[in-house]
Amino acid sequence: GEQVEQLPSILRVQEGSSASINCSYEDSASNYFPWYKQEPGENPKLIIDIRSNMERKQIQELIVLLDKKAKRFSLHITDTQPGDSAMYFCAASRSSGSWQLIFGSGTQLTVMP
Amino acid sequence: GALVYQYPRRTICKSGTSMRMECQAVGFQATSVAWYRQSPQKTFELIALSTVNSAIKYEQNFTQEKFPISHPNLSFSSMTVLNAYLEDRGLYLCGAREGTGDTEVFFGKGTRLTVV
Repeated sequence: GEQVEQLPSILRVQEGSSASINCSYEDSASNYFPWYKQEPGENPKLIIDIRSNMERKQIQELIVLLDKKAKRFSLHITDTQPGDSAMYFCAASRSSGSWQLIFGSGTQLTVMP
Repeated sequence: GALVYQYPRRTICKSGTSMRMECQAVGFQATSVAWYRQSPQKTFELIALSTVNSAIKYEQNFTQEKFPISHPNLSFSSMTVLNAYLEDRGLYLCGAREGTGDTEVFFGKGTRLTVV
């Protein structure tokens, strides 16, 4: 079945710098790629998503890129702030008429002041 | 707005016993509900996908006999962990969405299961 690889598992950056998280997927028919942020004790929250008809999407300081040929997508957080510290999960939708999201293993982002 | 409530938030059960967790959608119609388990290693494992008026689809390594799910209407789903053992511990998340397209999936805060 679909597997989603996510790297790195741990990421520490200085406040104000950029943070990048990379994911790859196997199913070339996957067409929906959301990113979730999860803070301790909280539910995962959707922060940005991209569909297969796009290559780039930006919401404020969040940028997602999708390379369908390489089956890779990435999240870039520009001008990071301490409040961006959290677990981040990428996901890919599985095809075959179902919508199950298959998640990556997560990235623990720490933004150091 | 759309919200998903899960309860209980935390539960402890003795090894070999069972516990039931519930998922309530507010502000939207939960046409589909997916149950995930987030392991101590932080990975989300998909357990099963339930769509109202359709059969529940279980993932490999998860069975109805172990994780029976009920999804009787567009606002409620429940899942039971039968004969819980140590390997069943973790955070169980309910994710729900409206419709059948690629709409946003809303997650609850999860039920954390500890088995002693």
